[in-house]
Amino acid sequence: GAGVSQSPSNKVTEKGKDVELRCDPISGHTALYWYRQRLGQGLEFLIYFQGNSAPDKSGLPSDRFSAERTGESVSTLTIQRTQQEDSAVYLCASGTGGNEQFFGPGTRLTVL
Amino acid sequence: KQEVTQIPAALSVPEGENLVLNCSFTDSAIYNLQWFRQDPGKGLTSLLLIQSSQREQTSGRLNASLDKSSGRSTLYIAASQPGDSATYLCAVSPPGAGSYQLTFGKGTKLSVIP
Repeated sequence: GAGVSQSPSNKVTEKGKDVELRCDPISGHTALYWYRQRLGQGLEFLIYFQGNSAPDKSGLPSDRFSAERTGESVSTLTIQRTQQEDSAVYLCASGTGGNEQFFGPGTRLTVL
Repeated sequence: KQEVTQIPAALSVPEGENLVLNCSFTDSAIYNLQWFRQDPGKGLTSLLLIQSSQREQTSGRLNASLDKSSGRSTLYIAASQPGDSATYLCAVSPPGAGSYQLTFGKGTKLSVIP
């Protein structure tokens, strides 16, 4: 079956612009995660959605970052007023809420 | 705050060699530890997951061990192949309700030379 998909695969934007990144989880997966991977750094947890529960937003680095999820389907990560330090690969994962997380290919964001 | 360190940052070996990748973590109170493989443009693939009560897991040519008390894990790859070339990531999860919050190391970039 289809895995986790993310779009766009690459995004180049200018400092100060807003960007939206999209994640399509595996069908039936109730859990969805967003991570950020900056160059030379480990993955950083950003946000976690589980079913209809309130999301865990504790990893979002600033109020410029927000994410939404439509039911148990698509999620969008929005970064407002982008800064150069936001340049990173943004990875999405989905799962059934247990130990295993299935990762998408990521979106590489470059802020000029 | 949990910190995960992976040594070495990069490793180059000739095809056929056995090799060991190292992972250490500062807080031994973990729920589980996972090893992932990351290929460029393809995201992460889970290789092995070790629960905190386990000492090792094996899958094919891969064997991962866990010594929770000393905060260490190793990933052993036997008879390496060029297709094993990738970045290997170690991640730990905390106990309790927040066990989904993985803390990752920076990875070891492995190159297997034909």
